[in-house]
Amino acid sequence: EVQLVESGGGLVQPGGSLRLSCAASGFAFSRSALNWVRRAPGKGLEWVSTVSDSGASTYYAASVRGRFTVSRDNSMNTLYLQMNSLRAEDTAIYYCAKDWGTRTPNYSDYWGQGTQVTVSS
Amino acid sequence: SYVLTQPPSVSVAPGKTAVIPCGGDNIGRKSVHWYQQRPGQAPVVVMYYDTDRPSGVPERFSGSNSGNTATLTISRVEAGDEADYFCQVWDSVSDEVVFGGGTKVTVL
Repeated sequence: EVQLVESGGGLVQPGGSLRLSCAASGFAFSRSALNWVRRAPGKGLEWVSTVSDSGASTYYAASVRGRFTVSRDNSMNTLYLQMNSLRAEDTAIYYCAKDWGTRTPNYSDYWGQGTQVTVSS
Repeated sequence: SYVLTQPPSVSVAPGKTAVIPCGGDNIGRKSVHWYQQRPGQAPVVVMYYDTDRPSGVPERFSGSNSGNTATLTISRVEAGDEADYFCQVWDSVSDEVVFGGGTKVTVL
């Protein structure tokens, strides 16, 4: 059974940093691209970032490029999202999702339950 | 950047058909994927590569994609189909994943 469990969310002040983690199991972790997707209150789904199976290729939404960094540890089956210079508009539930593909994003076939990030003073 | 347009809401009576459009420039040339998200739950893929249905998704769900519009159709709608539905593509020009704004399906 595929499982994705996010952690690391919480309350942070504007300009602060947070590191999200996603522990994965039940599939060939090193052969799957992985995605971060968020949903802000009252808004729709917004793609944040994707990392390829090896970690060599990364992709970012324009809204987070230069502030967020995605990475993975294939030896630990864990995905990360380092979020710096956080803004109020980054407040959302952040979902980790397994991609069907390996290198470029395709679609997310499995999702975690999400972790809440709140940016507020 | 590439834009996907969905109506904010669709209302349908039980047993009838819900049609959810997703508009985009020449979207028929892209692969479209659809997600269902019920309140308080994580999204679930209900259609991928335009017309492929994951195991466990009822046959009542179908997809199509041509020209400037992709469509998710839910036949014989049930109360449990009430949710937000999002279309998604990969835009290779901008190297970005794009989601539509989402359509809230309400079962009357």
